[in-house]
Amino acid sequence: GESVGLHLPTLSVQEGDNSIINCAYSNSASDYFIWYKQESGKGPQFIIDIRSNMDKRQGQRVTVLLNKTVKHLSLQIAATQPGDSAVYFCAETPGDGNQFYFGTGTSLTVIP
Amino acid sequence: DAMVIQNPRYQVTQFGKPVTLSCSQTLNHNVMYWYQQKSSQAPKLLFHYYDKDFNNEADTPDNFQSRRPNTSFCFLDIRSPGLGDAAMYLCATSRDFVETQYFGPGTRLLVL
Repeated sequence: GESVGLHLPTLSVQEGDNSIINCAYSNSASDYFIWYKQESGKGPQFIIDIRSNMDKRQGQRVTVLLNKTVKHLSLQIAATQPGDSAVYFCAETPGDGNQFYFGTGTSLTVIP
Repeated sequence: DAMVIQNPRYQVTQFGKPVTLSCSQTLNHNVMYWYQQKSSQAPKLLFHYYDKDFNNEADTPDNFQSRRPNTSFCFLDIRSPGLGDAAMYLCATSRDFVETQYFGPGTRLLVL
């Protein structure tokens, strides 16, 4: 099956610092990638996505970087806030697939 | 405005007593998914519908069934819940495959 994993299961950052969450994937045919944020007791919430024809995409305070050469995806959160504390999942799908493969998740804790 | 709605948010059932979880969407998306998520784990896909076409993941137990009577609604039936079926059940929708999946808030199932 697919292998989509995160390098670090937990991450603690000081409020106001930047956060970087990493994700490795194994399928070179992966075509579409999404980062989700999941707060305790809630469903995953879409943050940002990127397709394989791009290497960077920016949103509000978030940036996703895609390095297809090493099959690595990262999520950067600028000026991390307490409300950013959650578990972050990367998910990917090959272009001809019908499901997303989720990584194991990174728990981000923001220290006030 | 809620786009993917799950009811109930919390469900308690007894060991072996059938239970049905419901999901509805206002997005008019073609694809609806059911995921099972256990504590500190990534969501695990159980099955999905593309319109009325049903696709069961190979490792989804027979104890889990699904119905999609129309575009808006999808149901998850657990015929004989076991203790190991206690989990968060997430419904998601997407316009098409390889498109963003939007998740509902989830139903947390407790089996006594």
